[in-house]
Amino acid sequence: DVKVTQSSRYLVKRTGEKVFLECVQDMDHENMFWYRQDPGLGLRLIYFSYDVKMKEKGDIPEGYSVSREKKERFSLILESASTNQTSMYLCASSLAAGGSYEQYFGPGTRLTVT
Amino acid sequence: EDQVTQSPEALRLQEGESSSLNCSYTVSGLRGLFWYRQDPGKGPEFLFTLYSAGEEKEKERLKATLTKKESFLHITAPKPEDSATYLCAVRTNYGGATNKLIFGTGTLLAVQP
Repeated sequence: DVKVTQSSRYLVKRTGEKVFLECVQDMDHENMFWYRQDPGLGLRLIYFSYDVKMKEKGDIPEGYSVSREKKERFSLILESASTNQTSMYLCASSLAAGGSYEQYFGPGTRLTVT
Repeated sequence: EDQVTQSPEALRLQEGESSSLNCSYTVSGLRGLFWYRQDPGKGPEFLFTLYSAGEEKEKERLKATLTKKESFLHITAPKPEDSATYLCAVRTNYGGATNKLIFGTGTLLAVQP
């Protein structure tokens, strides 16, 4: 079974803090994704990565950056947390080719910025 | 613009009362439609992938079907443990980023005993 783990289930940070969310997958997937999920808005793609050290902006990248130094690990960075970044953050991974491209999700991190 | 719309937003059923959830899509070139289940406070769990009109997939009480404009998730004789939010997503020909998925906002299903 594919396993995607996220570093924290719940996180409380103060406005202006730098926040790191980490994601690790154990299935040797090339693609990794970061989403945020808010009521009524669904899942929105922040950034994704299709290979080590490669990244592309998603639909809402402002205020975020990412890092992928190893294939299995994808980090989301909030450079200066703001209250409008309070949300559920979900990491996912998928194959790049030779599969059906479904994404497998981690358990999520509920981030509260006060 | 590529778009995915799910209906209804919420559905309440009695145990054993069969029904269907709808996912309609407007995309430039469908390269897969995905159904997920999400329990409160957890990440989405993959259920099915459908690729072409007429295709069907089944898992226990769930059956997913696909036409050229929409997909249905049929729930037969649901049980309380089927209560969850069901998400639909599509993969399209989106420039070079062909592994992106576009998600609908989901249908919240509540099955009462």
